[in-house]
Amino acid sequence: NAGVTQTPKFQVLKTGQSMTLQCAQDMNHNSMYWYRQDPGMGLRLIYYSASEGTTDKGEVPNGYNVSRLNKREFSLRLESAAPSQTSVYFCASRPPGYSPLHFGNGTRLTVT
Amino acid sequence: KNEVEQSPQNLTAQEGEFITINCSYSVGISALHWLQQHPGGGIVSLFMLSSGKKKHGRLIATINIQEKHSSLHITASHPRDSAVYICAVGVGGETSGSRLTFGEGTQLTVNP
Repeated sequence: NAGVTQTPKFQVLKTGQSMTLQCAQDMNHNSMYWYRQDPGMGLRLIYYSASEGTTDKGEVPNGYNVSRLNKREFSLRLESAAPSQTSVYFCASRPPGYSPLHFGNGTRLTVT
Repeated sequence: KNEVEQSPQNLTAQEGEFITINCSYSVGISALHWLQQHPGGGIVSLFMLSSGKKKHGRLIATINIQEKHSSLHITASHPRDSAVYICAVGVGGETSGSRLTFGEGTQLTVNP
């Protein structure tokens, strides 16, 4: 049982390049989330998906797109990376009801 | 101003000491989460509570809904407890898609 798996773990991009961060969970959870973590700030929600086929904007969605491909997978895409998107990105999932989040191990992204 | 405030930001203790980390929030919540972020970056959920007190091993979490305050206590601290402890509050129902607001975290270092 792998839990929440994120790839890649590290990535360096040049300004304007694109990339997709992958996230998969094997716990049959309905809800999935993408957060970014920056120094001096708490985790901030980028996008979330309450169920397969639905996605909604979070607190900081600009510059990102997401796809909930199926119940297991929730990807985050940067179409044209900017230095302000340098951050650590976490994917998380949770089952319905009164339940805690399960986090992936994070992706450290640097945009130069 | 963040809706979730943690104190202290940094805490250094000697092995065996009793540790308290505080979390105050400004909005009505449905649940409060305590998370632990390991030095390697992974995040795990420690507690999720909406009233009273929960205990797991040497960790105790309490919440006072009227005062909008929660504390995380660690008894008989150990160097392996060194980590960032994050408080997060859930607003709205704890159904799929409900959002969390995170504090900035408290960096705990326990020296042998």
